[in-house]
Amino acid sequence: AQRVTQPEKLLSVFKGAPVELKCNYSYSGSPELFWYVQYSRQRLQLLLRHISRESIKGFTADLNKGETSFHLKKPFAQEEDSAMYYCALRPLPDSWGKFQFGAGTQVVVTP
Amino acid sequence: SAVISQKPSRDICQRGTSLTIQCQVDSQVTMMFWYRQQPGQSLTLIATANQGSEATYESGFVIDKFPISRPNLTFSTLTVSNMSPEDSSIYLCSVVTVLDIQYFGAGTRLSVL
Repeated sequence: AQRVTQPEKLLSVFKGAPVELKCNYSYSGSPELFWYVQYSRQRLQLLLRHISRESIKGFTADLNKGETSFHLKKPFAQEEDSAMYYCALRPLPDSWGKFQFGAGTQVVVTP
Repeated sequence: SAVISQKPSRDICQRGTSLTIQCQVDSQVTMMFWYRQQPGQSLTLIATANQGSEATYESGFVIDKFPISRPNLTFSTLTVSNMSPEDSSIYLCSVVTVLDIQYFGAGTRLSVL
């Protein structure tokens, strides 16, 4: 069975400082990894997926198969980045029905 | 993108009663799911809503407690039956589009007294 671990429940950073949210996974196959974000009073939304290799809102995430990690990074945190972030895994070639979320990391960016 | 309308947004219910949550999406989607998010915890998949047939439930969830319908491609309901305080949670509808992107509804915040 797959598992997604986000070791930090809360991450507090100052505006302009770098931020890194850790995500480790365990899965015997080749998964697809995602980061979802939930801003205050908004619905959960997709931030990044590893196959897209994009930078969204200044965030990047690299899949490291050797370390089974998919850490989310941003060089300069902004106050609007304050939100709940979830790392998630979709096993391949399995279906969305086995999608697995991590416990989430609350990010607070202070001025 | 897909816009999901989920109703009700919140409710307070008495023990032993049932609540039906509706999920309507504005476009045809390939898959629909129901999740539960208990206080302070992550999202847990309850079931996959299958069009015109019985839902596929995850371990720990049963049809008698969480009956689900999906009469067409864009609509589904989840019923929380014979509620107890332990059912107090946020229930989320989610869809996957033909572009293989997953979207979530705003959720239904349920409190059982």
